[in-house]
Amino acid sequence: DTAVSQTPKYLVTQMGNDKSIKCEQNLGHDTMYWYKQDSKKFLKIMFSYNNKELIINETVPNRFSPKSPDKAHLNLHINSLELGDSAVYFCASSQSPAYEQYFGPGTRLTVT
Amino acid sequence: AQSVTQLGSHVSVSEGALVLLRCNYSSSVPPYLFWYVQYPNQGLQLLLKYTTGATLVKGINGFEAEFKKSETSFHLTKPSAHMSDAAEYFCAVSEGGSQGNLIFGKGTKLSVKP
Repeated sequence: DTAVSQTPKYLVTQMGNDKSIKCEQNLGHDTMYWYKQDSKKFLKIMFSYNNKELIINETVPNRFSPKSPDKAHLNLHINSLELGDSAVYFCASSQSPAYEQYFGPGTRLTVT
Repeated sequence: AQSVTQLGSHVSVSEGALVLLRCNYSSSVPPYLFWYVQYPNQGLQLLLKYTTGATLVKGINGFEAEFKKSETSFHLTKPSAHMSDAAEYFCAVSEGGSQGNLIFGKGTKLSVKP
């Protein structure tokens, strides 16, 4: 069983479109995250949810909106996609914020 | 606030040689420390972690790291590199407790020459 899964794995879309990425974890963790990894491999945290409540909301454009319907799911919706949004997006989960995180396989978003 | 510095964005070693990837951290409280590996087109995988106790920690794939408080370091080593070790490696630190969050370094790309 995959611990942290994301869909889709690849996403190619045009500027201005709206898209969503889904994430699910079956580890029973309370905390989930979204990261953006740029072409230089730099990992930037975007959001963190603990027990379905937002606890980290870094300075990302408000076109990005996370939604956590329950503790096992954290989805990312992106409005009005821009070229600069092209990156790999990773979902992760952990038992609590200070502990090790388990990462999904990533979603490669390409905006044309 | 905590921070992580990985010295060397790119390290190249020969197969069979020692692997040493450097990580220094800054933290106002006893840290939790982690090393992750990312193979091409994959997510990050936990290699090893230090929270408390023994300062030399062993991880998967023959890697180990030593927590040195006096040097604020947590360097990753492996005695003999394999071609399959070629990947991106990330060091991370948290301050523990319920409010701590992982802070990642910028990563070190390890290349292994035959």
